Amino acid sequence: RKEVEQDPGPFNVPEGATVAFNCTYSNSASQSFFWYRQDCRKEPKLLMSVYSSGNEDGRFTAQLNRASQYISLLIRDSKLSDSATYLCVVNPLAYNQGGKLIFGQGTELSVKP
Amino acid sequence: EAGVTQFPSHSVIEKGQTVTLRCDPISGHDNLYWYRRVMGKEIKFLLHFVKESKQDESGMPNNRFLAERTGGTYSTLKVQPAELEDSGVYFCASSPTGARGQETQYFGPGTRLLVL
Repeated sequence: RKEVEQDPGPFNVPEGATVAFNCTYSNSASQSFFWYRQDCRKEPKLLMSVYSSGNEDGRFTAQLNRASQYISLLIRDSKLSDSATYLCVVNPLAYNQGGKLIFGQGTELSVKP
Repeated sequence: EAGVTQFPSHSVIEKGQTVTLRCDPISGHDNLYWYRRVMGKEIKFLLHFVKESKQDESGMPNNRFLAERTGGTYSTLKVQPAELEDSGVYFCASSPTGARGQETQYFGPGTRLLVL
């Protein structure tokens, strides 16, 4: 079983749609959680950290459910520029402790005009 | 501010040859990480340096891989001898020390390695 599992893609949506990505992780001791974005043939970039209380950054909302070991990302009013692969990432250590990142395989999003 | 840089961007070698990848982290970042993405798989952690010391090398696949970070600045990852299954994209990432700084790892553009 993979340590981090994500919805298989690709997701093809029209501009303006709302799209949700889901992710589960197997290690209940994981302490910090992230969504990274990766454009085609580019490096991963941090989109947002995910906290237990949930957090929002503009059109993006991330939720964490530690009991279910589940992480989600909601994108509202999707734009063409949101087209990318979204990577669910966990870390065995706390947010302020650095350490290795464990990646999911990623979910590809394609936003069409 | 310059980002993480990696060299070369691409490398094509034959099985059995040696390849050395280089990573220059963001200036002042003590934490340096190596990751690898093999085709069709997720990005996987290889190892973590704090300055010149190996903090965690649990992801190194075997003893054909040797990572160094002399002087705590740039790092090299040598594969010797290379095998077909070593093909993939090798990413380097860095982060500063300090409570807030370590939350974000900044990735380089990667080195695409193809072993024939």
